[in-house]
Amino acid sequence: EVQLVESGGGLVQPGGSLRLSCTASGFSISDNHMNWVRQAPGKGLEWVSVLYSDGSTYYADSVKGRFTISRDISKNTLYLHMNSLRPEDTAVYHCARDYYATGFQHWGQGTLVTVSS
Amino acid sequence: DIQMTQSPSSLSASVGDRVTITCRASQGISNYLAWYQQKPGKVPKLLIYGASTLQSGVPSRFSGSGSGTDFTLTISSLQPEDVATYYCQKYNSAPPLTFGGGTKVEIK
Repeated sequence: EVQLVESGGGLVQPGGSLRLSCTASGFSISDNHMNWVRQAPGKGLEWVSVLYSDGSTYYADSVKGRFTISRDISKNTLYLHMNSLRPEDTAVYHCARDYYATGFQHWGQGTLVTVSS
Repeated sequence: DIQMTQSPSSLSASVGDRVTITCRASQGISNYLAWYQQKPGKVPKLLIYGASTLQSGVPSRFSGSGSGTDFTLTISSLQPEDVATYYCQKYNSAPPLTFGGGTKVEIK
């Protein structure tokens, strides 16, 4: 069974840093395109970043230069390193698997990041 | 970057009504368009990919159409369990993999 479990969220002050983790089971993240998607309270879905199976990475303009996506294949875990956090980064962060070009079939439950003083 | 514009932003319809949601891309995206359903407090669920291919297990009252820049999600007969927010997304193309703004569907 495919499962994605995020962790690492919490309360952080503006300008602070946080690292989110997404541990996958039932498949290998190295063979798949893995994404981070966030949803601010009461708002819509916002794509944040992708780590393609070939290792290439891309980011939304809103996080470029501040966030870094990475993976540890030995742990089958995806990460999102977040620096210089802003109040507008407050959201539930989901990891999502792009299943062989058929859309984001698998999603984690998400982890809440709150940026506030 | 390609923008994805959904309309309407919300709608209210009666049980059994035919409901149509549109999504427009600012540039052509072939058929790399997915639709998601998100019920309150839940994780988004993939309904349709490739603009018109129904994801396994999704009721047949849901259908998608379109190619290029204009896409449609149709619910042929609205059911109470369809109350949700629906999002389109361009995928399997050059990032950013943008979502539309969402359409909130309610029962009248």
